[in-house]
Formats: sequence, C-alpha cells, structure tokens
Amino acid sequence: EVQLVESGGGLVQPGGSLRLSCAASGFTFNSFWMTWVRQAPGKGLEWVASLKHDESEKYYVDSVKGRFTISRDNDKNSLFLQMDSLTVEDTAVYYCAKGGYTYAPDSWGQGTLVTVSS
Amino acid sequence: DIQVTQSPSTLSASVGDRVTITCRASQSISSWLAWYQQKPGKPPKLLIYRASSLESGVPSRFSGSGSGTEFTLAISSLQPDDFATYYCQQYSSSTPKFGQGTKVEIK
Repeated sequence: EVQLVESGGGLVQPGGSLRLSCAASGFTFNSFWMTWVRQAPGKGLEWVASLKHDESEKYYVDSVKGRFTISRDNDKNSLFLQMDSLTVEDTAVYYCAKGGYTYAPDSWGQGTLVTVSS
Repeated sequence: DIQVTQSPSTLSASVGDRVTITCRASQSISSWLAWYQQKPGKPPKLLIYRASSLESGVPSRFSGSGSGTEFTLAISSLQPDDFATYYCQQYSSSTPKFGQGTKVEIK
C-alpha cells in the first residue's frame, strides 16, 4: 500500500523559512516523479513543484520560483520542499503526491499546514 | 502555460441524477487530463486519468471523455457519497494546472 506522510508544517513569520518533508513507502520511490500541491484555506488546488526520479528535471509554479526548492533523497525514500522568503500568500495545506509530468498524481499524503503570519 | 477552465463552479443535484462537469484546456493536451474528487479536510482522490481511464477501485458510475481541448466527467447516477468538490488537471506540460473546481451540492 502506498503511503505518503508529510511533516514540517507550522506557524512562521513573513520572510521566514520552513522545510517540508514527505516520507514515502509502498512503492519504488526512485522510479517516480514526485509533486507538491498546495491548497489555501477555502480555495482550490495549486500545483507547486515537481521533481523527476533522478532529479534531472524540476519545475516550479511562477509564484514560488527562486524561493522554494524541491529535492529528494532516494536512499531514504523522502521528498522535501525548502521554502524561503515566505509570504502570507503561501499559507496553505501542502500535499505530497506520487506522480508528475505525464503521470497523473495517483497517491496523496494527508497534507501539512503551513501558516505564514506575524 | 496551458490553462484549464472548469464549469460549472457549483452544481446542485439530487441522488440518482446524471451530472456532467466540463473542463476546457487553452490548447490541445491530447488526453493528458485527470479528474479528482475531494471532500472537506481530505486529500484529493484520483478518479480518472488519461481523460477516460478509470482509476482502480473507483465506481463505474464515474466516466471521463474527451481529447484535445474539451473534456467531460460524468457521474451516471449520483450517490450520497459523491457530494464533494471535483477538479480537473492537465498534466501534459511540465507546469501542470488544476481547474477551479466544481462543488456538487445536494439539491
């Protein structure tokens, strides 16, 4: 059974940083694209970033380029999202998902809440 | 970027109704379209991929159709468990996009 468990969310002040983690199990992690998707309170889904299995390709939504960095550790079956220069507009539940470019994300974690507020 | 526009934003229906939701892409995405169901406080659940392929375990009352720029999600006979928000997603490009969502409400 595929399991994705996010952690690292919390309350942070504007301009601060957070690092989200996603622990994966139940599938061959190093064979799949992985993706972060976020959902602001009461809003729709927004794709944030995707990373190829070998890290040779990574893509970001324009609003986070230069501030967020997606990475992975295939030895530890883990996906990360380093978030810097956070703004109130980054407040959202962040989901880790298996899949990405040309592979519809088919398994999702329960999400971790990031709140950016002073 | 390839945008997707979903309609309607809200849909009121009764148990047993047939409902359809439309998604339009700003340019051709072949069949690289997925449909998700989301309930409050839960992550999205994949229903349909490649425009018309039913994800394993999803009831057969859900179906997807279309290609190019026009796509449809249909629920043949709405069940109580189907009241939720539905999203389409194009994943043909390196910057995937979700539709705005359609909330299916009880009439």
